[in-house]
Amino acid sequence: DAMVIQNPRYQVTQFGKPVTLSCSQTLNHNVMYWYQQKSSQAPKLLFHYYDKDFNNEADTPDNFQSRRPNTSFCFLDIRSPGLGDAAMYLCATSRDLWGQGASRAIGTEAFFGQGTRLTVV
Amino acid sequence: AQKITQTQPGMFVQEKEAVTLDCTYDTSDPSYGLFWYKQPSSGEMIFLIYQGSYDQQNATEGRYSLNFQKARKSANLVISASQLGDSAMYFCAMSRHSGGGADGLTFGKGTHLIIQP
Repeated sequence: DAMVIQNPRYQVTQFGKPVTLSCSQTLNHNVMYWYQQKSSQAPKLLFHYYDKDFNNEADTPDNFQSRRPNTSFCFLDIRSPGLGDAAMYLCATSRDLWGQGASRAIGTEAFFGQGTRLTVV
Repeated sequence: AQKITQTQPGMFVQEKEAVTLDCTYDTSDPSYGLFWYKQPSSGEMIFLIYQGSYDQQNATEGRYSLNFQKARKSANLVISASQLGDSAMYFCAMSRHSGGGADGLTFGKGTHLIIQP
């Protein structure tokens, strides 16, 4: 009963060759995120979609783009992968209660997919 | 800016013992949320427990409890009666704005926990 599904689990791409990672969710969550996690490091947020609104982190390289054609799907595009882009890419979703009339801040956990491990050769 | 600090890069614990994983945080927001995630070697992030900054009681979820000390800005994870399957990376994280978490999470560097038989 996977709720956040990432494909593929492992991706090998050539240096400079565009690559797309995909994420789908069955939770109907309005927020979707992409994190990059390099070896032995903490996950780092690249960007997120709040519904259709795209929110880019200030330090996310222009080489990274994202698309969200509908609620269920979100894609991460790396236009020209470099060796330094080799990492685990984690997709996550959450439901924002704050925007749905919550009287105070109520946390909703982020549900993560299993990740796509990207290798650049 | 927010910051999460986990000072234990690795820990070895005997099976069935309790273990405490340390986490301190820094934020200027009065409202925030704190999370703990487990990441096995397979890579997925598994949500364990959540504590809101306004919550009066410490959060508990089965064998997991969160020792929240707001004045000291600490949110330590306690795992009771550890099991071999608890061996994994553990990340402490904070919601970036207003506790709701919709803007994403800031993660600590993690603690690699190894449970020994």
